[in-house]
Amino acid sequence: NAGVTQTPKFQVLKTGQSMTLQCAQDMNHEYMSWYRQDPGMGLRLIHYSVGAGITDQGEVPNGYNVSRSTTEDFPLRLLSAAPSQTSVYFCASSRQGQVDEQYFGPGTRLTVT
Amino acid sequence: RKEVEQDPGPFNVPEGATVAFNCTYSNSASQSFFWYRQDCRKEPKLLMSVYSSGNEDGRFTAQLNRASQYISLLIRDSKLSDSATYLCVVNDGTDKLIFGTGTRLQVFP
Repeated sequence: NAGVTQTPKFQVLKTGQSMTLQCAQDMNHEYMSWYRQDPGMGLRLIHYSVGAGITDQGEVPNGYNVSRSTTEDFPLRLLSAAPSQTSVYFCASSRQGQVDEQYFGPGTRLTVT
Repeated sequence: RKEVEQDPGPFNVPEGATVAFNCTYSNSASQSFFWYRQDCRKEPKLLMSVYSSGNEDGRFTAQLNRASQYISLLIRDSKLSDSATYLCVVNDGTDKLIFGTGTRLQVFP
């Protein structure tokens, strides 16, 4: 199993550009989530999904969209990138009802200039 | 006040030392508690769950004090490979985890 995969690993965007961060898992996990990690702030939840077709907002959803059309994929879309979105983004998945044991992808380092 | 607070460190300890980290949480309704480990520039990984009765996994011991709302992690006989950031994590019974900012441990020879 590949576990949780994320692409790209690194990305530089200009302010106002849009892009999609990809996340996929092959463990048949129902629960998937996106976090951002900034120095001194810890991991903050952006959006999450408890199953295909269901998404919900986390702590810091503004400026981001998600969709969950399949169990495997949970892409995160930045609508109009801003320097404040410079961060490391982690996707994670877990079995439903076991949100505590989350498996994280390797992360995407995003810089917005 | 942050929901989960940790001393950021760094804790610099020699190999073989015993080191302990504490973490406090603000939501008294929190139901489950965990320690995750994050190596430099890597993703977090679950280290262990924390139970009211305390639990031990080899050199690692985790304890929970619900009355005082804090969680601890004790590492005995520290190894160089224990150098990492340790994240305190709380689940308040919803579908979300709340992460602390982490405590950095550096073990030196």
